[in-house]
Amino acid sequence: QSALTQPHSVSGSPGQSVAISCTGTSSDVGGYNYVSWYQQHPGKAPKLMIYDVSKRPSGVPDRFSGSKSGNTASLTISGLQAEDEADYYCCSYAGTFYVFGTGTKVTVL
Amino acid sequence: EVQLVESGGGLVQPGGSLRLSCAASGFTFSSFWMHWVRQVPGKGLVWVSRIKGDGSSTNYADSVKGRFTISRDNAKNTVYLQVNSLRAEDTALYYCARGASGSYYTDFWGQGTLVTVSS
Repeated sequence: QSALTQPHSVSGSPGQSVAISCTGTSSDVGGYNYVSWYQQHPGKAPKLMIYDVSKRPSGVPDRFSGSKSGNTASLTISGLQAEDEADYYCCSYAGTFYVFGTGTKVTVL
Repeated sequence: EVQLVESGGGLVQPGGSLRLSCAASGFTFSSFWMHWVRQVPGKGLVWVSRIKGDGSSTNYADSVKGRFTISRDNAKNTVYLQVNSLRAEDTALYYCARGASGSYYTDFWGQGTLVTVSS
C-alpha cells in the first residue's frame, strides 16, 4: 500500500496551464478507472475536483480536467487562477483499499 | 445539504484508545459507504478504513489492521472508528468522508477531529 507518486510542487502564472502527474502501479492507477483528485486549501477539508479519471462534479470549473495513460494519471488546470493555489492529491481505488498520492503544492506566481 | 461532523479526538498516551465519531446528515446514511482518512499536520492524506452502508463489509489499511475498528449505527446516522494500541505515528487529523454512490471515490468530507498520541 505505497503512496502514489506526485511531484512535490508545480507553479504557473495566472492564465497558464499546469499539469500534475500521479504515478502508481498496475494494481491501482493502471488497474482501475477510479482515479479521483482533491483540492485542499490550508486548514480546510479536501474537496473533490475530479472522479472516475476525468469526470467533474457539479460546480467544479471546467478548467480542471483529468486523464490517465497506463499507470499514470494527470490533473490539468488550464487558465490558472489565484484561487487554484492549494495542495492537490490524487487517489486510486486498489481493489479492497484506496491509496492517495503524496500531494502536490500548486503555486500561482 | 450533506454534513459530516467528527468528534472524539484528543490527547491520549501511547497504548491508549479512543472512539472517534462522525455524525452525518442531509442524505440517506444507510445507502452509502463511509470512510475514514487521516492526515498528519503538514503531511499528506492517508486512507484508513471504509464500511458498507449496511455494515456488512469493512476494509482497512495495512497500517491499522488489527488495531482500528470501523462500525456504524444507521439509526443514529453515525459512523465510528475505534482506535486502540495507539502509537505516536497515529497522531493525525482524522477525517470522515462519504463514499460516492456507484463508484469508488469520496464526495463529501467533514472537518476532521485531531488525535494526538503523546506521553
